[in-house]
Amino acid sequence: DTAVSQTPKYLVTQMGNDKSIKCEQNLGHDTMYWYKQDSKKFLKIMFSYNNKELIINETVPNRFSPKSPDKAHLNLHINSLELGDSAVYFCASSLPPGLAGAPGELFFGEGSRLTVL
Amino acid sequence: AQSVTQLDSQVPVFEEAPVELRCNYSSSVSVYLFWYVQYPNQGLQLLLKYLSGSTLVKGINGFEAEFNKSQTSFHLRKPSVHISDTAEYFCAVSDLETTDSWGKLQFGAGTQVVVTP
Repeated sequence: DTAVSQTPKYLVTQMGNDKSIKCEQNLGHDTMYWYKQDSKKFLKIMFSYNNKELIINETVPNRFSPKSPDKAHLNLHINSLELGDSAVYFCASSLPPGLAGAPGELFFGEGSRLTVL
Repeated sequence: AQSVTQLDSQVPVFEEAPVELRCNYSSSVSVYLFWYVQYPNQGLQLLLKYLSGSTLVKGINGFEAEFNKSQTSFHLRKPSVHISDTAEYFCAVSDLETTDSWGKLQFGAGTQVVVTP
């Protein structure tokens, strides 16, 4: 059983289109994240949600809109795609602050590779 | 704000030889330290973490790392590598001062380890 699963794994689309990536975790975690990995493999946090509430929003263009319908799901919708949006997007989850476990101990999905042409 | 420097972008190593991956960080506050591994076309997996206590930390797959506060380093080592250790390795820090930073990992640029027979 996959702990953090993302769909789709690969997404090829044209500039200007709108696309979504879905993420689900079955670990019972309250906190979920989106990280972006660029072509040089550099990883940067985009958003985090704790129990459906937005916690971190890291200077991401407002073309990116995360949505968390419940604490097990965190989706990412991207409007008006640009060439620079091409990257691998990773969903992750973790225990929330205040519980036993390590801050920063994240469980990652396998990634969704977005290519914008 | 924190920053993480991984001093080697690529480390070629022969099978059964030892390997050391170097990581230095800078931060104005106390941090937690992590090493993550990314196998080809997969998500990141936690190798080990330093939160407090003993400065020598043991992780999965025979890896260990040593926290050196005076040198602000957290180098990763393995005494004898296998072909299956070929992967990208990321050092990361997490600010432990505020819960808003929970899960907000600052990653290094990664070190590609290539193990050859």
